[in-house]
Amino acid sequence: SYELTQPPSVSVSPGQTARITCSGDALPNQHAFWYQQKPGQAPVLVIYKDSERPSGIPERFSGSSSGTTVTLTISGVQAGDEADYYCQSTDTIDPYPVLFGGGTKLTVL
Amino acid sequence: EVHLLESGGGLVQPGGSLRLSCAASGLTFSTYAMTWVRQGPGKGLEWVSTISGRGGSTYYADSVKGRFTISRNNSKKTLLLQMNSLRAEDTAVYYCAKELGYCTSISCFRYFDSWGQGTLVTVSS
Repeated sequence: SYELTQPPSVSVSPGQTARITCSGDALPNQHAFWYQQKPGQAPVLVIYKDSERPSGIPERFSGSSSGTTVTLTISGVQAGDEADYYCQSTDTIDPYPVLFGGGTKLTVL
Repeated sequence: EVHLLESGGGLVQPGGSLRLSCAASGLTFSTYAMTWVRQGPGKGLEWVSTISGRGGSTYYADSVKGRFTISRNNSKKTLLLQMNSLRAEDTAVYYCAKELGYCTSISCFRYFDSWGQGTLVTVSS
């Protein structure tokens, strides 16, 4: 199965835009999903189907896809957005195993 | 509102067994596939196992295949994970999650819209 690659860390100042990428060879044919995990808490779904936002997730969170890379964009970053973010997709052939990227630590300076 | 509550974690010696439970509420439990995801200390998320809504289909990560067994009791709205032959590398917080899925003309996709708070499993002598 293939892998999903994320940068280990991204840092931005409050009010700026954070972009977190996730790369994988099969992503052009796959949808991606994004989860936010704050310290000591369970993951929370923030983006599904590349760019759809679940109810209750602020409009500041958006997703996009281009070629082998999907991107989670957080506009007007707030201190409360500091968390680990994980992308997720599935194998090109079978729906399992479910694959997670290694995670990106977003630091708000 | 969906609520998932895991239990059963604890300290176990290598080679030992443990059974995790996940009690669900706020959903028509039998309608949904359910999944276990784990997270080792300081590590990322790792998919462990999934069971279909009626329990007829099960799926496992290679790392746990043959050692872990997923099951469910729909009348009690409970998801279970029997873990045998535990190893140090199984040490992790184990989350249960409600799975949503859909298919396009190209592929089928799975993702998780509700998660429990997790239960810690420590495998150590």
